[in-house]
Amino acid sequence: AQTVTQSQPEMSVQEAETVTLSCTYDTSESDYYLFWYKQPPSRQMILVIRQEAYKQQNATENRFSVNFQKAAKSFSLKISDSQLGDAAMYFCAYRVTQGGSEKLVFGKGTKLTVNP
Amino acid sequence: DAGVIQSPRHEVTEMGQEVTLRCKPISGHDYLFWYRQTMMRGLELLIYFNNNVPIDDSGMPEDRFSAKMPNASFSTLKIQPSEPRDSAVYFCASRPAGEGAEAFFGQGTRLTVV
Repeated sequence: AQTVTQSQPEMSVQEAETVTLSCTYDTSESDYYLFWYKQPPSRQMILVIRQEAYKQQNATENRFSVNFQKAAKSFSLKISDSQLGDAAMYFCAYRVTQGGSEKLVFGKGTKLTVNP
Repeated sequence: DAGVIQSPRHEVTEMGQEVTLRCKPISGHDYLFWYRQTMMRGLELLIYFNNNVPIDDSGMPEDRFSAKMPNASFSTLKIQPSEPRDSAVYFCASRPAGEGAEAFFGQGTRLTVV
């Protein structure tokens, strides 16, 4: 069974500092996709960044970057120059297609607080 | 584009009543997903459709839950009869074809069953 583990229920960071959110996953598949979603208090799930497993290069989107370690099944999110608007729940997710059926499995989330 | 539209935003109902949640996906998206979010279990996939056809409903918790997609622009998730343990936030999401394509989520329906 595919599982996604976020070991940090809560994290905090000072404004303008850098923070790293951890995520590990368990799979026997070789071809899959990984995502980080942000959920602010408005409840809207917003895609932050995605990574294709077959790409060795780590994905980057402005202040957000990932450290993808395929052998270790690790997919951490780094937020640089943290802003107050980054405060939210962050969910790591793993997506694979098996037997014609798609599975998108989410971790339990990390609550990020940004202190001014 | 208005994004994925869900209604209602909030629903409070009494145990035993029927509840219907509605979703309008983004036009042109082939896939539609229903998720449930609770503190205890996080985000769980209930069912998803591809081109209006249900593909995987293994996440539907019980026969009390049913979902339909009569056309490409509308889907419903129905709970009958509702129970207090069904209280959760229900999300609808849609995405275009393509394995790496992003799924776009609606703002969710917060359901409270008393």
